[in-house]
Amino acid sequence: GAVVSQHPSRVICKSGTSVKIECRSLDFQATTMFWYRQFPKQSLMLMATSNEGSKATYEQGVEKDKFLINHASLTLSTLTVTSAHPEDSSFYICSASFPLTGNTEAFFGQGTRLTVV
Amino acid sequence: AQSVAQPEDQVNVAEGNPLTVKCTYSVSGNPYLFWYVQYPNRGLQFLLKYITGDNLVKGSYGFEAEFNKSQTSFHLKKPSALVSDSALYFCAVRERGGKLIFGQGTELSVKP
Repeated sequence: GAVVSQHPSRVICKSGTSVKIECRSLDFQATTMFWYRQFPKQSLMLMATSNEGSKATYEQGVEKDKFLINHASLTLSTLTVTSAHPEDSSFYICSASFPLTGNTEAFFGQGTRLTVV
Repeated sequence: AQSVAQPEDQVNVAEGNPLTVKCTYSVSGNPYLFWYVQYPNRGLQFLLKYITGDNLVKGSYGFEAEFNKSQTSFHLKKPSALVSDSALYFCAVRERGGKLIFGQGTELSVKP
């Protein structure tokens, strides 16, 4: 199947700093990528839909100024957690699927474990 | 709004026994349903999907799922469980635009 690569897999940062997470589709072009957040032993919560060449669409309750999303190319979306705080510590996962088809499965990155100290 | 529900937080089975992980859905129109598996500190791996066609869908690693329209269910099954099947399983429905709505997740534990 298609490969989505997410980097880094694990990051520890100090409170108040910013962290960037990258999501790449390695063998296909993804006009749309999705960013999820997952707390331990819980389900995935969709944070935002990342659209290539346009602004991201954020889910209700997600602060767009805190979680900056950039989708500058058809193979790369980035999530930047700005001014991180300990409550931002979580597992962040991106996904992408083949464009223009309604029945394809999504492919997920490996996830990024963010710890803010 | 579309949704899926996984009524069991945890399922315990003995190795070699059949396993079932339950999922029910609530959608308008025809559902696009998926099963994913997640191992600790990893992303999700696709197992199988139902779009149209046969109600019994076969997927990866010997898993299958049965789409039941009258019961609005899409239960995941495997005839003989392996210890290595122990993981977190998610049922999901795909909305217009491609985003997935996930169930709460079911932790499967297979004991030797």
